Amino acid sequence: GAVVSQHPSWVICKSGTSVKIECRSLDFQATTMFWYRQFPKQSLMLMATSNEGSKATYEQGVEKDKFLINHASLTLSTLTVTSAHPEDSSFYICSAKTRETQYFGPGTRLLVL
Amino acid sequence: AQTVTQSQPEMSVQEAETVTLSCTYDTSESNYYLFWYKQPPSRQMILVIRQEAYKQQNATENRFSVNFQKAAKSFSLKISDSQLGDTAMYFCAFRGMDSNYQLIWGAGTKLIIKP
Repeated sequence: GAVVSQHPSWVICKSGTSVKIECRSLDFQATTMFWYRQFPKQSLMLMATSNEGSKATYEQGVEKDKFLINHASLTLSTLTVTSAHPEDSSFYICSAKTRETQYFGPGTRLLVL
Repeated sequence: AQTVTQSQPEMSVQEAETVTLSCTYDTSESNYYLFWYKQPPSRQMILVIRQEAYKQQNATENRFSVNFQKAAKSFSLKISDSQLGDTAMYFCAFRGMDSNYQLIWGAGTKLIIKP
């Protein structure tokens, strides 16, 4: 099956620093990847759609200058949380799509102190 | 706009029993995809089963099967011979054909399998 990796699995950082999260499709090419945020006991909230070779499309209310997305290759998308603050602490999940289905990475737990 | 509703916030059954999770959706499209994803305590989102709306036959994956009622816009998941490892959050999701592959998510059902 399609495998998606995500790194790091968890990160603790100081307020004001930037954190980069990588999402890779390991055994397939993905022209489109998605970044989600999940609050405790809630469903996934789509943050942005990442398209290889073009600018990401952000959902309403998501600050594109704060959550920088780069999809530089068919197997890698990165999410950089810039100048992180405690309210950015959350669980971030990426997914990569095949023709019909989204497959998900294992997620990244971010804690901003 | 499409919506997905999961009306059961939490369910629990004994191991080896059969359990059915409900999902209803609203759309004006005639062709689309429906999914059930499982999120265990590890929080890894795992695809359980997929149904294409134009296929009348209900999808089946081992102990997991769906009851897809297109006219009623219902898409329930049946888990047979439930196992402890089935304990997880289960999310129903909808994907239209013109949605740039974005998924519309239900709120989830927490399923607990008791030994």
